[in-house]
Amino acid sequence: SAVISQKPSRDICQRGTSLTIQCQVDSQVTMMFWYRQQPGQSLTLIATANQGSEATYESGFVIDKFPISRPNLTFSTLTVSNMSPEDSSIYLCSVEDGNTGELFFGEGSRLTVL
Amino acid sequence: TQLLEQSPQFLSIQEGENLTVYCNSSSVFSSLQWYRQEPGEGPVLLVTVVTGGEVKKLKRLTFQFGDARKDSSLHITAAQPGDTGLYLCAGAGTSGTYKYIFGTGTRLKVLA
Repeated sequence: SAVISQKPSRDICQRGTSLTIQCQVDSQVTMMFWYRQQPGQSLTLIATANQGSEATYESGFVIDKFPISRPNLTFSTLTVSNMSPEDSSIYLCSVEDGNTGELFFGEGSRLTVL
Repeated sequence: TQLLEQSPQFLSIQEGENLTVYCNSSSVFSSLQWYRQEPGEGPVLLVTVVTGGEVKKLKRLTFQFGDARKDSSLHITAAQPGDTGLYLCAGAGTSGTYKYIFGTGTRLKVLA
């Protein structure tokens, strides 16, 4: 299993600003995943972050808007840039157990953009 | 694009009732997982099904993977208020991709 800590757990931000979300895992993992969950909805994969290489973004998500860092095997950050109210969501960090395929999630970072 | 549609989208039932949640796709998945998410938490895995036709039981929850591995169902017997939450199915593709596609979600509320 993996224990994932995310910071901040919630924040209220002004339009046009940027916010960086941190994700710390208690074990070394190859891939870390960033998901967005809009209010009352399911999870959408934003990007996959591998250590030492550029993140792979899903359709509809671009690096300029959601830059990701992956400096080591236990840590990643997701920045939400130039925020608008449409970016108000829960952002979740996740890792996969390579043996079982189980996904472990952080508690999420709830962003509200005014 | 692989899509997973869940039904119903919302369900509010009385304690003790039975219910079934469906997860359907036109795509084949190598495996399918069910997660439950409670407010303020990330999703937590309930079960993984891998073989077509597979049935797994977890206490009052019964999970089935369709024979063609395109669909799945979750049946809850004698629902309890503690079952309240957002239920999500998630499929792993057959092309070797590591990506999971999440279903549209079913929000269940069990009233005492």
